[in-house]
Amino acid sequence: DIQMTQSPSSLSASVGDRVTITCRASQSIGRYLNWYQQKPGKAPNLLIYATSILQSGVPSRFSGSESGTDFTLTISSLQPEDFATYYCQQSYSTPFTFGPGTKVHIK
Amino acid sequence: QVQLQESGPGLVKPSETLSLTCTVSGGSVTSYYWSWIRQPPGRGLEWIGLVYNNGNTNYNPSLKSRVTISVDTSKNQFSLKLSSVTAADTAVYYCARRKGNGGDDYFDYWGQGTLVTVSS
Repeated sequence: DIQMTQSPSSLSASVGDRVTITCRASQSIGRYLNWYQQKPGKAPNLLIYATSILQSGVPSRFSGSESGTDFTLTISSLQPEDFATYYCQQSYSTPFTFGPGTKVHIK
Repeated sequence: QVQLQESGPGLVKPSETLSLTCTVSGGSVTSYYWSWIRQPPGRGLEWIGLVYNNGNTNYNPSLKSRVTISVDTSKNQFSLKLSSVTAADTAVYYCARRKGNGGDDYFDYWGQGTLVTVSS
């Protein structure tokens, strides 16, 4: 199985901050990396797929990039509704696997 | 707008079989691939498996011996059965649509999730 790690596991930030979350795969997965946002008691919501393609309806302050086996989710200016947990997921091969999540707290 | 809704018992006894159904509205189960994903309380997401629109399946090896996912095109539903459950199977179970192919795919629509507790 491809193992996914995320860093940090949690972070505190203020509204307006630029936030970066990193996801690393245990092997090369090409561009096959997706990002989801999950709020308490809700299902995950797709933000970005194929490393950098923004899902329809997702604000442009979210962006994704990659460098080798490291992938980055960036929120350019954190908004109150962005406080949530973020998960990466590889779709390169089954079993599909998710990262452990990064919880974004209000500072 | 595609909507998915999980249904099934919220409490299952140890050693019994967990059975859930996902009803799809606003789209056809014959058009895409469909997955089950679970999340133990306070923990991360685990992919259980998927069913293709032709009925073929692909399961997580960690659960493969206990999992059956099937599709009922007449009802526009797909289902999950997980046998010999233990407390470790207590989780919120989500159904989701898989869009795309050949690795360039993702889960774009999700049900709201249903909590299944394994307890006697």
